[in-house]
Amino acid sequence: DGGITQSPKYLFRKEGQNVTLSCEQNLNHDAMYWYRQDPGQGLRLIYYSQIVNDFQKGDIAEGYSVSREKKESFPLTVTSAQKNPTAFYLCASSGGPTQYFGPGTRLLVL
Amino acid sequence: QKEVEQDPGPLSVPEGAIVSLNCTYSNSAFQYFMWYRQYSRKGPELLMYTYSSGNKEDGRFTAQVDKSSKYISLFIRDSQPSDSATYLCAISRTGANSKLTFGKGITLSVRP
Repeated sequence: DGGITQSPKYLFRKEGQNVTLSCEQNLNHDAMYWYRQDPGQGLRLIYYSQIVNDFQKGDIAEGYSVSREKKESFPLTVTSAQKNPTAFYLCASSGGPTQYFGPGTRLLVL
Repeated sequence: QKEVEQDPGPLSVPEGAIVSLNCTYSNSAFQYFMWYRQYSRKGPELLMYTYSSGNKEDGRFTAQVDKSSKYISLFIRDSQPSDSATYLCAISRTGANSKLTFGKGITLSVRP
C-alpha cells in the first residue's frame, strides 16, 4: 500500500529532552512537510523540503530541526528550545498541487 | 487580514440536511483550492481539489470557487452521521509541490 507513515503514534517528552518524530513515504513524492496542529489554530507549517538535502523554514520553525537525507524520509526533531511542544504533529508529502497526510503523532510533555 | 478565513463553527445539522461550508481568501494570486476532511485524532484526507473558478462534483460533495469574490465553498448533500468531522479549506498560489495555506477548520456534527 502506498502512503505516509508516522511513528510513534504517541510520544512523551521530559523537560530538556530532544525527541524525534519519524515520517516515511513510499509515494515517490519529491516534497515533504511538517505541520503542527493545536486546538482552534488550524495547521501551521514548521518545515518543508522540496528536494533531498534541502529544506526551508516554515512559519513556526523555532525550536525544531529537520533533515532530508533520503527521498522517503523527513524526520522532525523537537528540541529542548521548544517550550510549548504539546501538539498534534502531521507530516505530508506532495507530487503535485495537493498534499497527502500521515496519521499524525501526538506529543505530550511529562 | 489573514490569507484565508474560514467560518468558525461548530456546526450541527440533522441527518439529511444540506451543509454549506465556506472560506474567503485575500490574495487573487491563489489558483488551487482544496478541501480536506479530518476525523478526530486522524490525519486530514483530501476530499476535493479544484483549479480556478467553477464547480466540481463528487458524489454528495460539490466544491465551488468564485475567484471574483475570493470565496470557496463545499456543499454536502444528504448529510450523514459519518460526515461528522472537521473540514479544512486549503489554497495555494502555484502548482507542484507548493506550500498550502489552511483555514482553521470547522467542526461539523450530523445528528442521526
